[in-house]
Order: sequence, then C-alpha cells, then structure tokens
Amino acid sequence: EPEVTQTPSHQVTQMGQEVILRCVPISNHLYFYWYRQILGQKVEFLVSFYNNEISEKSEIFDDQFSVERPDGSNFTLKIRSTKLEDSAMYFCASSEAPPLSGGVEDTQYFGPGTRLTVL
Amino acid sequence: AQKVTQAQTEISVVEKEDVTLDCVYETRDTTYYLFWYKQPPSGELVFLIRRNSFDEQNEISGRYSWNFQKSTSSFNFTITASQVVDSAVYFCALSEEGKKNRDDKIIFGKGTRLHILP
Repeated sequence: EPEVTQTPSHQVTQMGQEVILRCVPISNHLYFYWYRQILGQKVEFLVSFYNNEISEKSEIFDDQFSVERPDGSNFTLKIRSTKLEDSAMYFCASSEAPPLSGGVEDTQYFGPGTRLTVL
Repeated sequence: AQKVTQAQTEISVVEKEDVTLDCVYETRDTTYYLFWYKQPPSGELVFLIRRNSFDEQNEISGRYSWNFQKSTSSFNFTITASQVVDSAVYFCALSEEGKKNRDDKIIFGKGTRLHILP
C-alpha cells in the first residue's frame, strides 16, 4: 500500500541553523500539507500546498518557514533560522483531492514524522 | 473556544474491557468532516475514520465503532474488548468548509492517552 515517507526520522540542530525536512507524498496525490506536534501537545496545521503554491497557512507559518516541491516527488519544509521552540514532530500529509471534495480521495494521509530537536 | 474538545486527557482500562473516547466539536459550517487518528508510541499518525457531516450513521469496523450525533455535536469512539496494542494517543479532528468553500487544515483535539493494562 502506498504511503507518505519522511526523512530524516530525527534531526538535531543548533539554534539559528537552517533545516530542511523532506517528504515524499503518495505518488498520485496533488495536495500536500505540513503539521507539527510539540511534544505532548496536539497536532497543529502549518501549511497546505497545491499547484506549486501555498494554498493556506496558519499563523505559526511565519517568514522563517518555507515550502517547496523541488521536483516531481519531494515536498520540503525549510526552517531558515531555527529556534528552541521549533523543536517538535513535523508531519507531512498528502491527499489526492482537496478537502471536502466529497470522496475518499480527499483523505489526508500522514507520514511517520520527523522529530526535530533544536539545541 | 476549542473547536475540538477531548475532555478525557488519559484513560486506563484493563484488557478486554470496553472503552469510549469522547469528542465534542464546534463549528458553524453545515459541511464538515470529522476524523479519528491513532498515534501509537512510535509516533506516527494512523488514520482511522472520516465522517461526513451529512452522514450520521454509526460505523463499526471490527472492535472499533463510532457514534456521530449532530444534536450533541459529538463523535465518540468506542473500542470493545480492548487489547494492549490499542494503547496509544487518540486524536479527534475536524475539517470545516470555511469561508472559501473549503478549509485545507485539519483541526485536532488535544488527544486522549489510552492505556490498556494487561
């Protein structure tokens, strides 16, 4: 069964460094998402991406964050200058169709996550 | 106000008992989806179910069942004959139609940590 994959599984970085988290969505999916989960807390939406542009973003997704689909398979989240509070699990998700399309194709499937630790 | 409220922070039951996880949601939209996700100790998010706001039929899948009641804005999840492998954090979530005919984001509740004791 196809699945969303994410690399690395764990990333440790120093405060102020740039990190790039990588995701490979399910191959026929067109809608991509990033969520994050600070340890012990709920999962929070960061951004959605479709047709090579951001579709929606939350207030968490400030100028330090950017997303890119550099090729036909990868979807990346870049944090330009990491802060301690960026330490979290970052989940990538993808769906075949936009949300609330009315069919199972709009279900968002999540990757296993990347645990980011900022020291 | 929280959009998705999971009042039970943590629940412990003995194996083979039934357990119900509560979820209450808040939305002004008439079109929305409700979800349940499971997060085992390994950390990944496992999709369990999605329910359309127009479909109030209860659903059963093996030992899992879901009770959707619009009158009380609840979407509760019951595990019957619980097993140790059911131990995880369970998240209820909501996706709304929003202002532009759809919102992309899924809004998660804070989760209920379920311990199944052998």
